[in-house]
Amino acid sequence: DAKTTQPPSMDCAEGRAANLPCNHSTISGNEYVYWYRQIHSQGPQYIIHGLKNNETNEMASLIITEDRKSSTLILPHATLRDTAVYYCIVRVAQGGSEKLVFGKGTKLTVNP
Amino acid sequence: SAVISQKPSRDICQRGTSLTIQCQVDSQVTMMFWYRQQPGQSLTLIATANQGSEATYESGFVIDKFPISRPNLTFSTLTVSNMSPEDSSIYLCSVEDPFGVPQQYFGPGTRLTVT
Repeated sequence: DAKTTQPPSMDCAEGRAANLPCNHSTISGNEYVYWYRQIHSQGPQYIIHGLKNNETNEMASLIITEDRKSSTLILPHATLRDTAVYYCIVRVAQGGSEKLVFGKGTKLTVNP
Repeated sequence: SAVISQKPSRDICQRGTSLTIQCQVDSQVTMMFWYRQQPGQSLTLIATANQGSEATYESGFVIDKFPISRPNLTFSTLTVSNMSPEDSSIYLCSVEDPFGVPQQYFGPGTRLTVT
């Protein structure tokens, strides 16, 4: 079973920041928080991941609470192309054998 | 990064038949993963395929129904056997980043419809 809970859907206005929450209250000390998204009819795409500290890349920012029981993915200036299902996943960041367990995700709709 | 292609991209098959889906990666990778995404649902892992060994299946999936081959480090196949309409799904393969960045890359998926 997925170790995360996310709201099933969210809306955001184009050009505004989209803040997607995720709860992972049972996360272990060696587990990372990962975010993927799936645009309609495509395979999932990696966005960002983090352990304790906040992370930022060209796509998004990841804010992890100090107790690591929740996190927020921030898309700073959402565009229509960001409409997708966003999945929050926890996993041990070891290459090779660690499978991804997908929950139901959050369907983000960016409106013009 | 890794570029993954899948064949076919989609197919419509009759019940009782089998379909083999191919997954090709542009670099050598140790692990390949096969997922199923039923209509309107999230992704579910079917099995993990290691080159040179038997695939490891997740609970609810069996080798007789979903045989997997992994003949080399860049290629894998998943067969959906004796299909029924309940097998109508998108089937996706993925690989762990071959250069050590701990993320998975996904193929575009194969959309299967069983009539």
